[in-house]
Amino acid sequence: GAVVSQHPSRVICKSGTSVKIECRSLDFQATTMFWYRQFPKQSLMLMATSNEGSKATYEQGVEKDKFLINHASLTLSTLTVTSAHPEDSSFYICSARGGNINYGYTFGSGTRLTVV
Amino acid sequence: GEDVEQSLFLSVREGDSSVINCTYTDSSSTYLYWYKQEPGAGLQLLTYIFSNMDMKQDQRLTVLLNKKDKHLSLRIADTQTGDSAIYFCAESPTGGGNKLTFGTGTQLKVEL
Repeated sequence: GAVVSQHPSRVICKSGTSVKIECRSLDFQATTMFWYRQFPKQSLMLMATSNEGSKATYEQGVEKDKFLINHASLTLSTLTVTSAHPEDSSFYICSARGGNINYGYTFGSGTRLTVV
Repeated sequence: GEDVEQSLFLSVREGDSSVINCTYTDSSSTYLYWYKQEPGAGLQLLTYIFSNMDMKQDQRLTVLLNKKDKHLSLRIADTQTGDSAIYFCAESPTGGGNKLTFGTGTQLKVEL
C-alpha cells in the first residue's frame, strides 16, 4: 500500500514553454502533498506544500507564479513549470503523507526536467 | 530553522556493517526517518523512529536515537552491493505542518 505515481519520469522541453508534472496517490487519500526539487548530488529542497482544495503554501524564495500547483482532488496534485528556462532543469519529486504513519511520507519516482 | 547534517560519503566492503550518522538541531522533532535513493529514482522509506524511542531494529536495519545529543544513526548489517545508494535522514517537527526537513545525504558505496 501507499503508492505514489509521478509522471512523466523524464521530459525535455524548449525554453519558454510550460511543463506539467502529475503526482497521484494510488491507494490512499492524500490531503497534503509536497513538491521538492533536487539538484545533482544535493539534498531535497521543499518547494511547496499542496493542500487539497486550497492554495499551496510556498517556501521562501520559490516563485508561485512560475511553479503553479494545483491540488484539485484527494489523489492528484500537479506542478506546472511555466515559461521554463534552462535553470529550471532539475529533478522534481512529489510526496504524499499517507493516512498511516507507518508509511511516513511516500515519494513519487521523480521527474527529470531538461529545458533546452 | 531546522538543520540536518550528514557525512557525505561512506565506503564499506560487502558483508561488513555500515553506519550512517545524522545530527539535527530541532529539539521538537517527533518523527525521524531514513530514506534510500537510488540513481534517478525517488525516495524509498526504509524505517522511522519516534522521538520517545532509543532504538528500533527491522531485519538488517538498526536505528539508534540519542535525543540528548540530537544524533541519529542507521546501521545496515551484512551490507550488500544492492545497498549502494544515497541515504537521507529526515525529521518532522511536532506541529510543523508535517513538513520534512532532509539531511544532506550520505552516499554509500559497497565494494566487493
